[in-house]
Amino acid sequence: QKEVEQDPGPLSVPEGAIVSLNCTYSNSAFQYFMWYRQYSRKGPELLMYTYSSGNKEDGRFTAQVDKSSKYISLFIRDSQPSDSATYLCAFDTGGFKTIFGAGTRLFVKA
Amino acid sequence: NAGVTQTPKFRVLKTGQSMTLLCAQDMNHEYMYWYRQDPGMGLRLIHYSVGEGTTAKGEVPDGYNVSRLKKQNFLLGLESAAPSQTSVYFCASSLASGRAVSYEQYFGPGTRLTVT
Repeated sequence: QKEVEQDPGPLSVPEGAIVSLNCTYSNSAFQYFMWYRQYSRKGPELLMYTYSSGNKEDGRFTAQVDKSSKYISLFIRDSQPSDSATYLCAFDTGGFKTIFGAGTRLFVKA
Repeated sequence: NAGVTQTPKFRVLKTGQSMTLLCAQDMNHEYMYWYRQDPGMGLRLIHYSVGEGTTAKGEVPDGYNVSRLKKQNFLLGLESAAPSQTSVYFCASSLASGRAVSYEQYFGPGTRLTVT
């Protein structure tokens, strides 16, 4: 079983749609849960992070963590063409190494 | 403040040739990392460093060597390039551990390497 599973997509949605991106993980030692966004031909950049179960909101983005199910989600409300990118979930045990998911490619059509 | 920079941006090598990728950061970060990114595989850690003069192996270290002689620089070397090393290479840096926000990794723009 892979330590992190993420559907690679691509996911194509119309502008204004609600987008749901998901990852599952198997390592109970993960303490920090992150989402990175990567535009085409660029390096990833941190979008959101959390260290507890529950929801965290930042503008149009909501990160959700369910530790009991080992499942994390990123919701994007009122999606925009500028949200078109690859979204990588990422996990950390509290040390200095981060485990990344393979990334989900998202296309938001105008 | 340039953040993380990588040199070169593109390179084509023949099998057996060697090269060095340079990563530089101006944020005074302790930790630095080298990843490779391949379709469907995500980011895989090659080597990392937790401080000047220290290096350690990551998930896929074979065929690569690294050095961190200065805190701001992290070099990745390919001694004898193979077609399997065709990939996009990313360097990243982060502050020392302690809080979740410190785990944020700042990535460079990447180096696209093709080995023929």
